[in-house]
Amino acid sequence: NAGVTQTPKFRILKIGQSMTLQCTQDMNHNYMYWYRQDPGMGLKLIYYSVGAGITDKGEVPNGYNVSRSTTEDFPLRLELAAPSQTSVYFCASSRAGTRDYNEQFFGPGTRLTVL
Amino acid sequence: RKEVEQDPGPFNVPEGATVAFNCTYSNSASQSFFWYRQDCRKEPKLLMSVYSSGNEDGRFTAQLNRASQYISLLIRDSKLSDSATYLCFGAGGTSYGKLTFGQGTILTVHP
Repeated sequence: NAGVTQTPKFRILKIGQSMTLQCTQDMNHNYMYWYRQDPGMGLKLIYYSVGAGITDKGEVPNGYNVSRSTTEDFPLRLELAAPSQTSVYFCASSRAGTRDYNEQFFGPGTRLTVL
Repeated sequence: RKEVEQDPGPFNVPEGATVAFNCTYSNSASQSFFWYRQDCRKEPKLLMSVYSSGNEDGRFTAQLNRASQYISLLIRDSKLSDSATYLCFGAGGTSYGKLTFGQGTILTVHP
């Protein structure tokens, strides 16, 4: 199993550009998450999904969109990149809800810089 | 007030030392707690879950105090390889969106 994979690993965007961060998991997990981590900070939840076709906002959803058409894939879309979106983005998945002590498995992250 | 707060450190300890971190949480409805470890520029990985009864895994012991709303992590006989950032995580409440990481505690173990 590859676990959770993310592409690209690095990206530099200009202000106003758009891009999609890809996330795929091969563990047949129902729950998937997108976090961002700013330097010296913890992870903040952007969006999450409890299954294909179901998504919901986390703590910091503004400026992002997601979709979940399959169990495996959970892409994150930035429509109009802003410098404030410079961060490391982690995708994660879990078999079921973390409220029930289900471990989250993280991808290696995408380092995004907006100039 | 942040939902989950940690002392960011850094904690600098010699090999063999015992070190403890605390993490306080504000949402009394939080149900499950975890400690994750994050190496520099890497993704977080689960270190251990924190149950009400406490749990131990080798040199690591995690405790949960619901009355005072904090969790703790104790590392005994520190190794150089324990140097990392330790993130506490709380989940639960009334929404699956209530997933909150602390900002992390930096540990450096030196020879």
